[in-house]
Parts: sequence; structure tokens; C-alpha cells
Amino acid sequence: DTEVTQTPKHLVMGMTNKKSLKCEQHMGHRAMYWYKQKAKKPPELMFVYSYEKLSINESVPSRFSPECPNSSLLNLHLHALQPEDSALYLCASSQDLTGALPEAFFGQGTRLTVV
Amino acid sequence: AQSVTQLGSHVSVSEGALVLLRCNYSSSVPPYLFWYVQYPNQGLQLLLKYTTGATLVKGINGFEAEFKKSETSFHLTKPSAHMSDAAEYFCAVTRPRGGNKLTFGTGTQLKVEL
Repeated sequence: DTEVTQTPKHLVMGMTNKKSLKCEQHMGHRAMYWYKQKAKKPPELMFVYSYEKLSINESVPSRFSPECPNSSLLNLHLHALQPEDSALYLCASSQDLTGALPEAFFGQGTRLTVV
Repeated sequence: AQSVTQLGSHVSVSEGALVLLRCNYSSSVPPYLFWYVQYPNQGLQLLLKYTTGATLVKGINGFEAEFKKSETSFHLTKPSAHMSDAAEYFCAVTRPRGGNKLTFGTGTQLKVEL
């Protein structure tokens, strides 16, 4: 099973709302990632978790708050977003950060629209 | 620092023709290289990877790529295009033990015509 599952697939939220994106993998991977992808652009790394601890934060605004409750789950909490935050949010996982098996497996993404 | 350049944001081929998508990288250390495919409104699917060893790597769906250190290239090829190959293709690089931070190219949109 090489599947990363993201929910919801689509989300529309107002600028004052609080919502969460969820990601789950059952491959035994210990590294998990959040990427943001704007239309017609490549994905941009937001956060990296390694063994449930935040390893990399690519200077993401605090209105995005990641959480890794256990080795299989990754959440992204959203609060007070702006319309320019509308994008496809992709979750990914890989074996770990040692580089032995560096390939990342991506979920189908959550299409977020901020109104 | 590392970077990826994909020449040609749009490539159009006829069904049955050779597919060639170009990728050049810049890296201060021997890199790990990947090709991903993205269909509309979907996530990224790994086509193939190069880490070490054999420089010609085969992936899914009949794609292959060759790592050429002297040319700093990792071009993606497929002998015969199929309509289902129409998608966005991203080349990506990371450095070994670099936290698996992928740096993506800007992507190439492949169109397959009858």
C-alpha cells in the first residue's frame, strides 16, 4: 500500500473560519510533509516532520499550524487565511530523512478556496 | 544550494511518437533526482528516481531517464506516447541526507495529439 490519503478533497472557507486539513499514511513512514501548490506552479515545501517532531518550517505564516499527533497522521490547522492562500495543499510521506529511501509519496491534495 | 531547470513549459507530440522532456540540475553535491507526473486536480505520482548506481533508470508507464553527470541532465523519455500520458511533469532534486527537501522544476505540460 503506497497510499497517502488526504481529507477533505475540497474546502471552501471564509477568512474568519478555522478549519483543518488531514493526512494519513500507513506505510510506516517516519517523515511527513506539507506542500502548497498554486495553479500552474510547482509544489512549494511548507513543513517537514520527522518522527512526529517538526524538522523544517519554511518560514510559513503562523495562520498555518501543523500538527503530527502520531506517526501515521499529519494535520494542518488553518485560521484567518487570506484569499491568496487559496491553493492545492499536498501531503507527502517518505521512509525517513536519512536519504536511504528518499522518494516521497504524495496524496491527492486538498483544493482550498478562501473567500 | 540546488536548482532544476525544465526546458519547455509545453511540449506537444503525436500519439506513438517519442516523448523527450528535458531536465537540467544544479547541485553542489551528487544529487538524488526524481520525475513526478501530475494529472489535473490530482497529486503527484512518482515516475522514477535516481540515487546511485545504474545511470539509466526505468520507471512506470514505460518511462525512463538517464543521469548524465557531465551534462548535469536527467531527461525523461518514452519511446511511444499514448493519449493517457498527457499531464504535467515535474523534475525534482534533493541532496543526500539533506532532509529530503525536494526542489522542483517549473514543470512541463505534455500534450499528446492524434
